[in-house]
Amino acid sequence: DAKTTQPNSMESNEEEPVHLPCNHSTISGTDYIHWYRQLPSQGPEYVIHGLTSNVNNRMASLAIAEDRKSSTLILHRATLRDAAVYYCILKEGGSGNTGKLIFGQGTTLQVKP
Amino acid sequence: DTGVSQDPRHKITKRGQNVTFRCDPISEHNRLYWYRQTLGQGPEFLTYFQNEAQLEKSRLLSDRFSAERPKGSFSTLEIQRTEQGDSAMYLCASSHLGLAGGPVEQFFGPGTRLTVL
Repeated sequence: DAKTTQPNSMESNEEEPVHLPCNHSTISGTDYIHWYRQLPSQGPEYVIHGLTSNVNNRMASLAIAEDRKSSTLILHRATLRDAAVYYCILKEGGSGNTGKLIFGQGTTLQVKP
Repeated sequence: DTGVSQDPRHKITKRGQNVTFRCDPISEHNRLYWYRQTLGQGPEFLTYFQNEAQLEKSRLLSDRFSAERPKGSFSTLEIQRTEQGDSAMYLCASSHLGLAGGPVEQFFGPGTRLTVL
């Protein structure tokens, strides 16, 4: 699985939007971009995924660059409960893939009241 | 709650002892994964099952580690002759098989925190 690069940490104020960047310059055509987050003392949880087009769900939005070499996870209004480590992960598509996730260091998001 | 459950949540053991952890995935999920997470690091893949078959093992899984999923439902991870370096959070996740290799969400349990003294 291709590698991703994320900032180690970011800060946000409560109720403001947060843009979490991820670089993946070696992404291949079949790689999906996944985001998971891990709240303190919990297992990771799925946030969102995409391939080429921007995606929205109830938790967040995913903006994917046209060349797919970078993406941004957008939390529209950060709350204190969004304080977590956010992981950007590339997963190969195709029928042979195992589904395993290769986590990097992630971005630790602090949300200030 | 019908999510992924793990037991025990915490385990303290002495070096050299054997430990076994259990994971109960979401009932209809074909795939089950084990990961290990040390402090300040992201989770690392250990092994995965599709139904009862163990299809991949990481090189991190030394011969002291063994995992089973006997009837394609719950899974156990055993560590023999524990070492202090085995201290970590052990996470279990499950997922559907997915369609034609498309992306599938993994659901994680709360983890078992192992401390080896």
